[in-house]
Amino acid sequence: DQQVKQNSPSLSVQEGRISILNCDYTNSMFDYFLWYKKYPAEGPTFLISISSIKDKNEDGRFTVFLNKSAKHLSLHIVPSQPGDSAVYFCAKGDGSSNTGKLIFGQGTTLQVKP
Amino acid sequence: NAGVTQTPKFRILKIGQSMTLQCTQDMNHNYMYWYRQDPGMGLKLIYYSVGAGITDKGEVPNGYNVSRSTTEDFPLRLELAAPSQTSVYFCASTQRMGDQPQHFGDGTRLSIL
Repeated sequence: DQQVKQNSPSLSVQEGRISILNCDYTNSMFDYFLWYKKYPAEGPTFLISISSIKDKNEDGRFTVFLNKSAKHLSLHIVPSQPGDSAVYFCAKGDGSSNTGKLIFGQGTTLQVKP
Repeated sequence: NAGVTQTPKFRILKIGQSMTLQCTQDMNHNYMYWYRQDPGMGLKLIYYSVGAGITDKGEVPNGYNVSRSTTEDFPLRLELAAPSQTSVYFCASTQRMGDQPQHFGDGTRLSIL
């Protein structure tokens, strides 16, 4: 069973507009969620996270929203910049576990056009 | 600030050969992980370690082995390479569990021919 799903393989937006990346998950009460960005030939880099007790977390141009009733997570990038073009992965961790293991979605490729 | 270092960056193996993918981190992190990423897919956990001397299987451990004799190093061993193991391999580490992010190396691209 796929615990974390990113149903959109790709997204294209114009520079300066909002990018919205989505992620659905199966439920666990103590989960926490992270977004990673990945450029070609590099490893994923951490972008932003949110714990299950919050609905929103903001860091500069990046905001993550958590809708627990819908089991849905979204990342908003405003305004989008060409340097944001990358693959974005959402990931889920189990806060009740002592292993720190993460489950990743399939990724969404974002292209920001100048 | 080296972070997580993986070697080699690229490797081509013949079916049946063996090799070790190296991973070292200089952040004194207790938790380390090995993932593989296949085209169009997310990262799948192969093995992980919560400290020196402690390792456990992840989601896709078959065909791989690991060891953790020091805090810094977490090598991944392929004993009998198979074409299904063609993938990009990422090593990651974190200081502790919870919402602390994992830090990733730049990966090893492995082709089995």
